[in-house]
Amino acid sequence: EAQVTQNPRYLITVTGKKLTVTCSQNMNHEYMSWYRQDPGLGLRQIYYSMNVEVTDKGDVPEGYKVSRKEKRNFPLILESPSPNQTSLYFCASRTTGVGTGELFFGEGSRLTVL
Amino acid sequence: AQSVTQLGSHVSVSEGALVLLRCNYSSSVPPYLFWYVQYPNQGLQLLLKYTSAATLVKGINGFEAEFKKSETSFHLTKPSAHMSDAAEYFCAVSDKKGSTLGRLYFGRGTQLTVWP
Repeated sequence: EAQVTQNPRYLITVTGKKLTVTCSQNMNHEYMSWYRQDPGLGLRQIYYSMNVEVTDKGDVPEGYKVSRKEKRNFPLILESPSPNQTSLYFCASRTTGVGTGELFFGEGSRLTVL
Repeated sequence: AQSVTQLGSHVSVSEGALVLLRCNYSSSVPPYLFWYVQYPNQGLQLLLKYTSAATLVKGINGFEAEFKKSETSFHLTKPSAHMSDAAEYFCAVSDKKGSTLGRLYFGRGTQLTVWP
C-alpha cells in the first residue's frame, strides 16, 4: 500500500530534550516536505526536499533541522525543543514530474513540549 | 514565491445548501492548483486538482472547482451540502519550472460547518 509513515504519532517531551520525528515513504517520490499545523494559521511549511541531499527552508525553519540521505526518508530534528514548537506536524511526499502533482500526507505527529 | 488566499476562515451552511469556498492565488503563470480536505483528527487528502486541462474540475464527494485565469481564482463548490462535508478545506498552488513541480503553497484553510 502506498503510504507516508510518521513516527511517533504522539509525543510529550520537555524543553531542551532533542527529538527526531521520522518520516518514510514507499512511493519513490523525489519531493518530501514537513509542515506544522496550528489553529488559525493553517499549514506552514518547515523544510522541503526536492531530492536526495537537496533541502531548502520553508516558511518557518527556525528551531528545526532536516536531512535527506535516502530517497525514502526525511526525518525532522528538533535539537532543543521549546514550548512554541508544540504543534501537529505532517510529513508529505510527491513526485516532481508534472503528471499528477498530488501530495501524499502522513497521518500527523502531535508534539507537546512542556 | 506564490501566495494563496482563502477568503473566510469559517463558512457555515445548512444541509442541502450551496457550498462555496473561495481561493485566490498570486501566480502570473498558470499553475497547478489543488484543494485538500482534512476531516477531524485525520491527515489531508486530495479533493481535486487543476493541471491545465479542463478549467472545470470535478473531484470526490460531489465537489468541483473552476479555474479562472482572469480572476486568478480557483473556488470550490458543491451544489448541496451534506453533514459529512464538515471539515477543513485547504487550497494549494504549486510552482512549476518546465516539466518539474516545485514547492506547494497552502492557504490558511476554511473550516466548513454544516447545520442540520
